[in-house]
Amino acid sequence: GNSVTQMEGPVTLSEEAFLTINCTYTATGYPSLFWYVQYPGEGLQLLLKATKADDKGSNKGFEATYRKETTSFHLEKGSVQVSDSAVYFCALRPYGGATNKLIFGTGTLLAVQP
Amino acid sequence: GAVVSQHPSWVICKSGTSVKIECRSLDFQATTMFWYRQFPKQSLMLMATSNEGSKATYEQGVEKDKFLINHASLTLSTLTVTSAHPEDSSFYICSATRGTGNTIYFGEGSWLTVV
Repeated sequence: GNSVTQMEGPVTLSEEAFLTINCTYTATGYPSLFWYVQYPGEGLQLLLKATKADDKGSNKGFEATYRKETTSFHLEKGSVQVSDSAVYFCALRPYGGATNKLIFGTGTLLAVQP
Repeated sequence: GAVVSQHPSWVICKSGTSVKIECRSLDFQATTMFWYRQFPKQSLMLMATSNEGSKATYEQGVEKDKFLINHASLTLSTLTVTSAHPEDSSFYICSATRGTGNTIYFGEGSWLTVV
C-alpha cells in the first residue's frame, strides 16, 4: 500500500545551521509529493510540492527533490531561523487518486535555537 | 489567505458522553471538508470526507455511528464523537477546500482527552 516514513524528531538546531528532514515513501506509479508545515497554534500549510520525478519544489528557502530511484523527498534548508521552528509533515497523493486524499508521515518537530 | 478554524482547541470529556468539534472556513465556501485524527507518534489518518449537503464518506475502519459528521453549510462541518471512550483521545484536524483541484486549507487541530 501507500505510506510515508519520515525521520523522528525532535530535530534541534542552532540558527543558521543546515537542515535535512528525511522522507521516504512507498507507492505505486508516480504519486505527487508534498511538505506541509504547522507553526504553533496554527493549521497545516502547504510548504512545497513536486508532481513528477526529478521535480524540485521550493519555497521560503526550503527545497525538496522528488527522487524516484530512492523513493525519497527530503526537505532541506541551507540556513534555518528561529522562525522556522514548527512541525513538518511529508505527504503523498497516490497516482490517479482523488485530488484531496493525502497520506501523511508522522511529522517532525524542528526546534531552532538562537 | 483563506483560514480554517477549529473549535475547541482543547476539550476534556468523561467516558460515555458525546463531544462536538467544529470546523469553519472563515472566508471561503468549502464544498468539501475532511477530518483526520492523529495518535501520538503516528501519521495523520483520514477519517472521512464530507461534501456540503450530503452524507460523509468514511474511510475503512472508521465507525460512522461513533464519529458523526455533519456538513450542513458551506462554511461549517462538525465532528461528534459519541459515547466517548479513552481510546478516542487523539488529535483531530479538519481541512477544507473549494473543490477538486483547489488548495486545501487545514485547521489548527483539536485535542480530545476522554477521562
